[in-house]
Formats: sequence, structure tokens, C-alpha cells
Amino acid sequence: GIQVEQSPPDLILQEGANSTLRCNFSDSVNNLQWFHQNPWGQLINLFYIPSGTKQNGRLSATTVATERYSLLYISSSQTTDSGVYFCARVPTGTASKLTFGTGTRLQVTL
Amino acid sequence: KAGVTQTPRYLIKTRGQQVTLSCSPISGHRSVSWYQQTPGQGLQFLFEYFSETQRNKGNFPGRFSGRQFSNSRSEMNVSTLELGDSALYLCASSLIPGSNEKLFFGSGTQLSVL
Repeated sequence: GIQVEQSPPDLILQEGANSTLRCNFSDSVNNLQWFHQNPWGQLINLFYIPSGTKQNGRLSATTVATERYSLLYISSSQTTDSGVYFCARVPTGTASKLTFGTGTRLQVTL
Repeated sequence: KAGVTQTPRYLIKTRGQQVTLSCSPISGHRSVSWYQQTPGQGLQFLFEYFSETQRNKGNFPGRFSGRQFSNSRSEMNVSTLELGDSALYLCASSLIPGSNEKLFFGSGTQLSVL
């Protein structure tokens, strides 16, 4: 089946540092999403990014579909950025079924 | 407006019992999907419902079932619970299937099977 792999699996940053999270997928995808799971378990939709680059505040994401990867950039990290970041492959057509990656657990310390 | 509401937040059951979890989507959203999250398997798709019809089903045994009501609220049921069913069950809603850019998740139901 489709594989979605994320790296690194764990990341510890000091507040204010920048980081790059990577998502590789084994097959061509039409769309990709990034989510943040907060400590209470809720998944927050960060980016829906089939290709190109999008930015939202201190976060930005880039997807290069032809090379089967996506990157999530976090700049000037804050403790509230802690949690697990997932990328997910979005199927073609009219379906909401997502294939999630293994996640990157981020801890931002003071 | 209110987000996706899942009840109960926590649930403890014993092996062999059955359980029903509830999900109320964002007002106006008609598509509801369910995911299971475990430390070993990660996040896995369970089902997707739209207009009271199951449109997609993940690779789970028949003990896992669901339904959607006319008001778009959804329930999932797990019968004959096994220890391995212990997980966080997440529900997501969107306006229609495939409108993933505006996909919103609830906080989940944490199920523990003893």
C-alpha cells in the first residue's frame, strides 16, 4: 500500500529555534496535508498543500509532488508548538480517507 | 460555531463488551469520517459517511460498524471488545467528502479495554 514516512521521529528544540520536518511518500499523490496533534489529542489541520509553498504565520509548508516529498518549516518555535506533527496523503476524487504518516514528536523547551 | 464534538471523552470497558461512540459534526457539515489511533499502528482510517451512507471502509474486522443519522451525527460501534481495541478514536467532519482543505477533527474518545 501507499507508504508515508516522516522524519525525524523525535525532535527537541529550544524556544526560538527553527526546524524542518520531512514527509516522504512512496507513490505519487495529488494532495497532501499537515496536521498538528496537541497534547489533548486533537488534530489541527495546518496545511492542505498539493504542490508549491504555503505560509501561515510562523509555519510554512512545501510539497514537491514530482519528487514525492513535503516539508514543514517551523520558525521561532514556541512551547505551544509542542505535540506530534503528521502528514497525510489525501486520495484523489471525492473521498476524505487519509493515509497518515508515522508522525514527528516535537518538544519545545524554555 | 461549535467544533466537532465527540462523546464520551473517556471510556473503560472489559473484553467481550460492546461500545458505542458518538460524533456530532460541525453544523452544516455532512461528511463524517472515523480514525483509530494506537501507539503501534498509528492513525488508521475506519469509515466515512455521507448522507447516511457509508462511502468508504478501512481494513478493520466486522466488529467495527458505524452509522450516520439524518442530522449528520454519526455513531460507531465496536462489538466483542478485544484488548487491542484500546485506542483513541477520532472523528472528523467536512462539508462534503473530499473537501479536505476544511477538515476538522474532534478531541477523540479514549477507549481502554481491560
